[in-house]
Amino acid sequence: QQQVKQSPQSLIVQKGGIPIINCAYENTAFDYFPWYQQFPGKGPALLIAIRPDVSEKKEGRFTISFNKSAKQFSLHIMDSQPGDSATYFCAATDSSNTGKLIFGQGTTLQVKP
Amino acid sequence: ETGVTQSPTHLIKTRGQQVTLRCSSQSGHNTVSWYQQALGQGPQFIFQYYREEENGRGNFPPRFSGLQFPNYSSELNVNALELDDSALYLCASSLSVAEETQYFGPGTRLLVL
Repeated sequence: QQQVKQSPQSLIVQKGGIPIINCAYENTAFDYFPWYQQFPGKGPALLIAIRPDVSEKKEGRFTISFNKSAKQFSLHIMDSQPGDSATYFCAATDSSNTGKLIFGQGTTLQVKP
Repeated sequence: ETGVTQSPTHLIKTRGQQVTLRCSSQSGHNTVSWYQQALGQGPQFIFQYYREEENGRGNFPPRFSGLQFPNYSSELNVNALELDDSALYLCASSLSVAEETQYFGPGTRLLVL
């Protein structure tokens, strides 16, 4: 019940395409869902985050769609660029103040020029 | 404003040894969490420190221990190293224990031979 399942494992798109990464969770106590971007040899960098009281959030070219009833959320990258090639992680946590982010397994994205 | 920093960047140890990893939190942040990221996996929560005390712990054995200092910097200590401890160790800081947003450092790559 503590898992966050992420798909696909890897994704290849052409420049300008819209890659979509999906995540699903079981624990209904989760109330904060961030997405992180990680380049090889670096730590994860926070991209965008959403709470269950909204169904969509946009920041620049990144959009999170959230479906509370289905317990699913997804990341869309508009007008993708080769510089977006990285590994993306979804995560979830609840408000129990233990600081425990539960991460998905990651999606390796390659954007071809 | 400085981000989260970690030292050392890389470390090689042999099985059975002990290791100490260090983290300086982002300016103004009083809460630090540690994660272990095995190759090709998402980060796994080890524990969180707030006000110099452990505030939550993941499924890691007691040989993983930590400290937080009055300046909010932190250490992760691992005793009796095992081969499976080889991983990227990430430190993340947050503004307060009630703030879910966590900002990660670049990590320390530990190799156990």
